[in-house]
Amino acid sequence: QVQLHESGPGLVRPSQTLSLTCTVSGDSINTDIYFWNWIRQPAGKGLEWIGRVQSSGRTNSNPSLKSRVTMTVDTSKNQFSLKLSSVTAADTAVYYCAREDYGDYPYWGQGTLVTVSS
Amino acid sequence: DIQMTQSPSSLSASVGDRVTITCRASQSISGYLSWYQQKPGKAPKLLISATSVLQSGVPSRFSGSGSGADFTLTVSSLHPEDFATYYCQQGYITPRTFGQGTIVEIK
Repeated sequence: QVQLHESGPGLVRPSQTLSLTCTVSGDSINTDIYFWNWIRQPAGKGLEWIGRVQSSGRTNSNPSLKSRVTMTVDTSKNQFSLKLSSVTAADTAVYYCAREDYGDYPYWGQGTLVTVSS
Repeated sequence: DIQMTQSPSSLSASVGDRVTITCRASQSISGYLSWYQQKPGKAPKLLISATSVLQSGVPSRFSGSGSGADFTLTVSSLHPEDFATYYCQQGYITPRTFGQGTIVEIK
């Protein structure tokens, strides 16, 4: 059973960097079969794809966020991470990590709320 | 980016009703269309991948169809647990994009 779990601070100050980690269990992240994704959802709104990373370190990011997004993989811990710099209130959202299987997302974390506020 | 447009944005229906939600992409996406169900406070759940492939454990009252840029999710007979928000998503190219969602409410 593949499981993903997001962790990180729930409150980030404006202009600071949001940092989240997704821990994967039931599957090895050390394979280039899958992409490991970050998706977010502001309260009451739809889903926005942030980007994805493979174990090789290859990444793709949403152009709307690309200059602020950094994604990495730690195969020794079976984790992947997201850093989003220069955050504003518009970055307040529930952040999900998810495994991508050939274009879709059968496995998701439970989501973690990140609030940007001073 | 490929824009995904769902209709309607919301609908009211009764238990037992047949419900159809449409999703239109701004260009052809070669069948790389998935449908998700989301309930409040929960992560989205993948219902259908590759236009029409029902995921394991998903009831057969759910079905998907379409081609090119136009796709449909149908629930043949609504059950109480089907009241939720539904999203389509294209997996053809990055950036991945989702429809704005369709809220299915109880009439």
